[in-house]
Amino acid sequence: GAGVSQTPSNKVTEKGKYVELRCDPISGHTALYWYRQSLGQGPEFLIYFQGTGAADDSGLPNDRFFAVRPEGSVSTLKIQRTERGDSAVYLCASSPPGVLLFGYTFGSGTRLTVV
Amino acid sequence: AQKITQTQPGMFVQEKEAVTLDCTYDTSDQSYGLFWYKQPSSGEMIFLIYQGSYDEQNATEGRYSLNFQKARKSANLVISASQLGDSAMYFCAMREGRRGSQGNLIFGKGTKLSVKP
Repeated sequence: GAGVSQTPSNKVTEKGKYVELRCDPISGHTALYWYRQSLGQGPEFLIYFQGTGAADDSGLPNDRFFAVRPEGSVSTLKIQRTERGDSAVYLCASSPPGVLLFGYTFGSGTRLTVV
Repeated sequence: AQKITQTQPGMFVQEKEAVTLDCTYDTSDQSYGLFWYKQPSSGEMIFLIYQGSYDEQNATEGRYSLNFQKARKSANLVISASQLGDSAMYFCAMREGRRGSQGNLIFGKGTKLSVKP
């Protein structure tokens, strides 16, 4: 696609439920990143994929968070047993292979609200 | 310790004037990249400008320039001839590692810029 697409744009869920957030990167972009942005803060890194594998998952806050990218394109961020503190905007970004002298392309995010 | 510090939570600038948004960073790497992003109220992060740690010239992109002072570990964004559409949050970010490498970005807390007509 022309840009990074994230669905849904908004998600409201009850505490304790399971949610999935989807990211469709720019075609041909091998690297994919997930960030979480809480109100009034800058984005915080969660996980980075190079192709199908997670190259760095050091930002995942705990084992309730998991992400996959089975075919090296679309990625799904999965949150189990959601808590109110998980409420945030979840941003996805992608970048092409090779030397990177420019910023990543971000999607518009999924606003997750846990009630 | 915070790796990216943006000390100005909010800034005002008159339309058509220039404005400088401050950013200092902390790293022990010799090789790193510095970025500025704009985030309008729509929420999307828009890449503005990049500076590599080994770049000798300050980066420029249209009305944006980056005042890179390596010894002071500062990477201030200068916006010339401000426009109403420049009103947004601005984030400074850093990626550690060799030039052009992939890797996660570390963001500051941002500065909210408001352009007055």
